[in-house]
Amino acid sequence: NAGVTQTPKFRILKIGQSMTLQCTQDMNHNYMYWYRQDPGMGLKLIYYSVGAGITDKGEVPNGYNVSRSTTEDFPLRLELAAPSQTSVYFCASRPPGLAGIEQYFGPGTRLTVT
Amino acid sequence: QKEVEQNSGPLSVPEGAIASLNCTYSDRGSQSFFWYRQYSGKSPELIMSIYSNGDKEDGRFTAQLNKASQYVSLLIRDSQPSDSATYLCAALKHGNKLVFGAGTILRVKS
Repeated sequence: NAGVTQTPKFRILKIGQSMTLQCTQDMNHNYMYWYRQDPGMGLKLIYYSVGAGITDKGEVPNGYNVSRSTTEDFPLRLELAAPSQTSVYFCASRPPGLAGIEQYFGPGTRLTVT
Repeated sequence: QKEVEQNSGPLSVPEGAIASLNCTYSDRGSQSFFWYRQYSGKSPELIMSIYSNGDKEDGRFTAQLNKASQYVSLLIRDSQPSDSATYLCAALKHGNKLVFGAGTILRVKS
């Protein structure tokens, strides 16, 4: 199993550009999450999904959109990039069942908006 | 008040010593707690999880939970330079959402 994969690893965007961060997991996990991590800070939840076709907002959803058409994929869309979206983005997944089961993180995407 | 609070550090300990990392949380409804280790430029990896009051030991790591005081800690015995990292405390909220603290930087000096 590849686990959770994210592409791209790095990206520089100009203000106002748009892009999609890709996240794929091959563990058949129902739950998937998008976090952002600013320097020296913990992770903040952007959006999450409990299964295909179901998404919900996290703590910091403004400026982002998601979709979940398959169990495997959970892309994150930035429509009008702003400097405040410069961050490291992590995707995570976990299986259903008891609360507290480990979340598996992808390697992250480092995004700079200038 | 942040939902999960940690001292940012850095916490410096000599090799072989015990490192003690602390975390407090504000939501009494949180039932599950996690410690993640994050090396610079890498993704978080789970070290310990704890759900019940008391201690939970796994190798050199011991997690402690006190729900009455809303306090979680992680002890690392026989600290090694390879333990140098940022340690993130997280609480599981209703809706299966994790809330993370800002992390404590640990430096183990050889």
